[in-house]
This record gives sequence, C-alpha cells and structure tokens, in this order.
Amino acid sequence: DVKVTQSSRYLVKRTGEKVFLECVQDMDHENMFWYRQDPGLGLRLIYFSYDVKMKEKGDIPEGYSVSREKKERFSLILESASTNQTSMYLCASRIDRGDSPLHFGNGTRLTVT
Amino acid sequence: GEDVEQSLFLSVREGDSSVINCTYTDSSSTYLYWYKQEPGAGLQLLTYIFSNMDMKQDQRLTVLLNKKDKHLSLRIADTQTGDSAIYFCASSANQAGTALIFGKGTTLSVSS
Repeated sequence: DVKVTQSSRYLVKRTGEKVFLECVQDMDHENMFWYRQDPGLGLRLIYFSYDVKMKEKGDIPEGYSVSREKKERFSLILESASTNQTSMYLCASRIDRGDSPLHFGNGTRLTVT
Repeated sequence: GEDVEQSLFLSVREGDSSVINCTYTDSSSTYLYWYKQEPGAGLQLLTYIFSNMDMKQDQRLTVLLNKKDKHLSLRIADTQTGDSAIYFCASSANQAGTALIFGKGTTLSVSS
C-alpha cells in the first residue's frame, strides 16, 4: 500500500514565523501535491511538483513556497505565517500517469495565532 | 477555469440508499474519482471510473456516468452510520504531470 506521511498532525505557530510542513511518500511517485482544505471551500491546490526540483503553482500559491530536493519528499513553506493561513493542509502523491489516482496523507492542522 | 460541483449536504436514514451527485465542466476529463474523508483524516480513494464507461459497481457502491451531461453520481446502498463522511468528486485529464480538480465535497450524515 502507498504510504504518504505528513510529519505533524497538529501545529500551532505564531504570526510571522517561518513554518515548514513536511511530506514523505514511499512509492517512488513522480508527482506530489499540496492542498489546503477549508470549510465551504473544499480542496484548493497550492503547489505541485511533477519531478525532483520541478514545481508548478496551483490556484492559491501566494504566501507559500515549496521544495522538492528528493523524489520522496515535498515540503511546503510558509515564509511568514499569517492568521489566514490557519487551515488543514493535505499532501498527496501519484504516479506520473493521467489515470493514476492521488494518494493522500492524513493532513496537518495548522493554527496560526 | 475548469470546475467540479457538488451539493454540500445530504442526510439519510440508516438502511436507505444515498445518492451523491457531481457535475464537471472539463470535456477532456478522462478519469473521475470518488474520495471519502472521515473526520480528522486525509482523503481515501473509494472508486473511480473511466470516461468510456457508463457504470461501475463495487459492493455497495455504484458509480453512474452521463458523459453527455457531464454528470457523475455515487450511490451507496444500505447506508450505514460508518458511511457518515465528506465525499469528494474529482476529475482528471489523461495527461501526465497535471493535478486533479476537486469538488467542494458533500457531507453525508446518516441517522439511526
């Protein structure tokens, strides 16, 4: 079974802090994704990466950056956390093939105070 | 941009059938997925259907696809309280290196 692991289930950070959310997958998937999930808004794509060191902006990249130095790891970075970034963050991965489904981690609930 | 729409809430009684509907706009959508999210967890893939199929059945789950109307539905037979969750519909073009497009999710509430 594919395993996508997000390093933290819950995080509490202060406004202005730099925040790193880590995601690791163990199935050698080329594509990795970061979404945020908010009530009434569903899942919104922040960034995705289709290969090592490659990244593409999603629908809401502002205030975020990403890093993909190794195939198995995809990090989401909040350069200066703000209260409107309080959310559930979901990482996902998949084989680089159009019919391949996404496999999700359990999510990180981030609260910025 | 391309869009996937779902109704936000559905409430059923235990033992009844549930039908969750979804519409999508991308005519190049080749694969359509249903995911389930239980409280506090990530999304779990339930089933998916290829666009050249009309129907797919998997135990209590039946997926119906009307490609002409770009309408997808998920029917859960004999709904149980454990089926209470958020259900997401998603579409994908048959193209590597692209992201899925998700609907906002339908919250299914099952009462006993």
